[in-house]
This record gives sequence, C-alpha cells and structure tokens, in this order.
Amino acid sequence: EAAVTQSPRNKVTVTGGNVTLSCRQTNSHNYMYWYRQDTGHGLRLIHYSYGAGNLQIGDVPDGYKATRTTQEDFFLLLELASPSQTSLYFCASSRTGGARAEQFFGPGTRLTVL
Amino acid sequence: GDSVTQTEGPVTVSESESLIINCTYSATSIAYPNLFWYVRYPGEGLQLLLKVITAGQKGSSRGFEATYNKETTSFHLQKASVQESDSAVYYCALGDYSNNRIFFGDGTQLVVKP
Repeated sequence: EAAVTQSPRNKVTVTGGNVTLSCRQTNSHNYMYWYRQDTGHGLRLIHYSYGAGNLQIGDVPDGYKATRTTQEDFFLLLELASPSQTSLYFCASSRTGGARAEQFFGPGTRLTVL
Repeated sequence: GDSVTQTEGPVTVSESESLIINCTYSATSIAYPNLFWYVRYPGEGLQLLLKVITAGQKGSSRGFEATYNKETTSFHLQKASVQESDSAVYYCALGDYSNNRIFFGDGTQLVVKP
C-alpha cells in the first residue's frame, strides 16, 4: 500500500540546535509538502516541491529550509531552532498539485525546542 | 485571503447520537472552490474522508455526509449515528484553483463516549 513515512516521530532539541526532519513517500507522487500544526491553527504550509530538485515557498517559510533529493525524499531543515518552532509537523504527497488533488499524509513528527 | 472556519472542539457526543460539525469558508479569488473533509485518527496522519467539487452536490463516506452550499458558503459534516471508532480530529479544507493551493481549518476534535 502506498505510504508516507516520517522520521523521527518525536524530537527534542535546544534553542539554536540543528534539526532535520525526514519524509519518504512510496506513492510515486510528484508533489510533496511540509506543514506545521499548532493549537488554534489549521495546517500551515511551510514548503512544497513538485519534483526532485524543486522547492516552492509556502505560507510560513521563515526559519525553515527544505530539500527534495529524489522523488521519494523530502527533508525539512531547522538550522537554528527556536521555541516558536515547537509544533507538530506533517509531510504529505499528492499526484498532482493543490486545488483538487487528494493529499496523503505521514503520521507526523512532534518537535519540541527547549 | 482564503480561509476556513469550523466548529471549535472538543465536541463530545454519546455513541449512536447524531453529529454535525460546522464549516464555513471564504474564497476571495474564485466563486466555486473545491471542498474537502479530512480526518486524523490518533497516531496517524490525515486522510481524505470526502470531497465535493460541484456546488449543490453532496459527498458521503463511512456514514458521513456533507453538502456544498454556495449560498451560505458552508460545508457542514453530518452523521446520523456516531460510533466510538469515529473519535478523531476532523479538518475542513478548501481548494483554490487560482493559486493551486489547499487551505485547512483548525480541526475539530470529536470524542464519542461509549
């Protein structure tokens, strides 16, 4: 069955730390997304990509970098983590872009920045 | 910009009772956005519950249904008789094809008591 996996599932780091969140999809999808979800907010798009080597900026990109190394793998990098980046992070994939396509989500990574 | 507002949770109902989770939307660039309900069960990622892309149409899945009402800009989620296994977080979402993006509401946690 097609799947989106994320690692780690939980991560604790300190302010100023360096964190990489990983996402892999076996759906053969072109599009991949990184979201964050905080209490009182819906999912907010950080970055997305429509293919290996491509990167598009989302709605809340500040403090985050992303890299799509292959069709399957999409990474989110926090180079100087701050407490404001404590959140639940979701990765997703879709066959085509945005407005109509069903997105398939990973189980999430809970990040705590102390 | 586009936005989605839904019932603030948690919503607690007893098994076999009826359920309605309200969702209203605002789409500033287009008249007929695509509308979605996603669900997130504990420990899992979001998954598509139902989707409707035509105003006036109803979508249904797993006993849930929602009708796309263009006049009231609403897409309320209903179920006649909930089960304990329906306990989850439900997200209403809007797909805007003018910018090829999906916008999510904050999510509504549903707790079904046995």
